[in-house]
Amino acid sequence: EAGVAQSPRYKIIEKRQSVAFWCNPISGHATLYWYQQILGQGPKLLIQFQNNGVVDDSQLPKDRFSAERLKGVDSTLKIQPAKLEDSAVYLCASSTLGRADTEAFFGQGTRLTVV
Amino acid sequence: KNEVEQSPQNLTAQEGEFITINCSYSVGISALHWLQQHPGGGIVSLFMLSSGKKKHGRLIATINIQEKHSSLHITASHPRDSAVYICAVPINAGGTSYGKLTFGQGTILTVHP
Repeated sequence: EAGVAQSPRYKIIEKRQSVAFWCNPISGHATLYWYQQILGQGPKLLIQFQNNGVVDDSQLPKDRFSAERLKGVDSTLKIQPAKLEDSAVYLCASSTLGRADTEAFFGQGTRLTVV
Repeated sequence: KNEVEQSPQNLTAQEGEFITINCSYSVGISALHWLQQHPGGGIVSLFMLSSGKKKHGRLIATINIQEKHSSLHITASHPRDSAVYICAVPINAGGTSYGKLTFGQGTILTVHP
């Protein structure tokens, strides 16, 4: 079974530029998560989708971050404009259900460096 | 106070040693996750448990729901076990059935040959 695919693996941009990340979850997984992991910290949830609807985006900085999951499969996360503090690993995860006791599967992450 | 606390933050061991990483949490949960993250890599789920003990190879995870505490043990540690080990618990938001994982800060394990 293929895992969660993310691209690109690495991205370096200048501050105030825009960037987009892509995630393809495991086939059949209805729930998709985007996490931000700053160096030395645990991941922090940015947004959770159930199919193509947003379940939780309370920690998404909506003035600069946006995410969509068209057709309930692939998802993109965009940052516009980027700030230095956005340097982090962006992880995508998926699970069959959005239940608290459901195992989530993670992608390799996209390491973003803003200079 | 963080909702999920791990200890120790850093752990160095010699190959073959028995290793224990602890996780304490402050809210009631339905399940706890142990995850492994290698440098530059993504996160791999090791265990999801809601009671008792689970074993997979040299890895053992235990949980005490009443005490809100879980431990991850590695027997006969090996340099390839070097990674960050993260404990995560689902914190239900708004009383819905959908959960999100709240992560501990991670334990950096280094096993020397």
